Amino acid sequence: GDSVTQMEGPVTLSEEAFLTINCTYTATGYPSLFWYVQYPGEGLQLLLKATKADDKGSNKGFEATYRKETTSFHLEKGSVQVSDSAVYFCALSDQRAGNNRKLIWGLGTSLAVNP
Amino acid sequence: ETGVTQSPTHLIKTRGQQVTLRCSSQSGHNTVSWYQQALGQGPQFIFQYYREEENGRGNFPPRFSGLQFPNYSSELNVNALELDDSALYLCASSLVRGGETQYFGPGTRLLVL
Repeated sequence: GDSVTQMEGPVTLSEEAFLTINCTYTATGYPSLFWYVQYPGEGLQLLLKATKADDKGSNKGFEATYRKETTSFHLEKGSVQVSDSAVYFCALSDQRAGNNRKLIWGLGTSLAVNP
Repeated sequence: ETGVTQSPTHLIKTRGQQVTLRCSSQSGHNTVSWYQQALGQGPQFIFQYYREEENGRGNFPPRFSGLQFPNYSSELNVNALELDDSALYLCASSLVRGGETQYFGPGTRLLVL
């Protein structure tokens, strides 16, 4: 079945460092890809998404490009802030499932940014 | 616009008991999904409700059941609680059935002793 694999954390960076969190997927259909963020004590928030190959999702300085050839959707940010400390989840949704689409999640990558 | 709300925020139960968790969807959203997130894990899909009917179910036993009401709010019921049911339970709503963009509530943290 469909699955998502994320790099293991925790990731610890200094403020203003460059961030990459790797995400690869396995899907037999045509997935849409998502990054969600979970701040401490809060629920999940959609960070960005991409629905087809070569699409780039971006939000709050974060970017991820849908790479069908490498089945990847790596999250990047050029300069992280302490406020970016959170757990980041990569997820996919099979567009072929139509009205029965559900999200399939990676295990999450914890990011800690030090001042 | 009111976001997704869940109640209670925390709950402690003992093994064998039953629990009901509640979710109010975002205004105008007719689809609600429930997820279980164990500590250190990604969310696992439990089921989805659309216009008061179940619209897909994950790999959870029948003791996990749900309801959706005419105002699109929803309940998750778990019977015969087991220790492994301890988790964060997340509710998410979407504007339409099959809508990919889901908006999550803060979750209910359930501890089963």
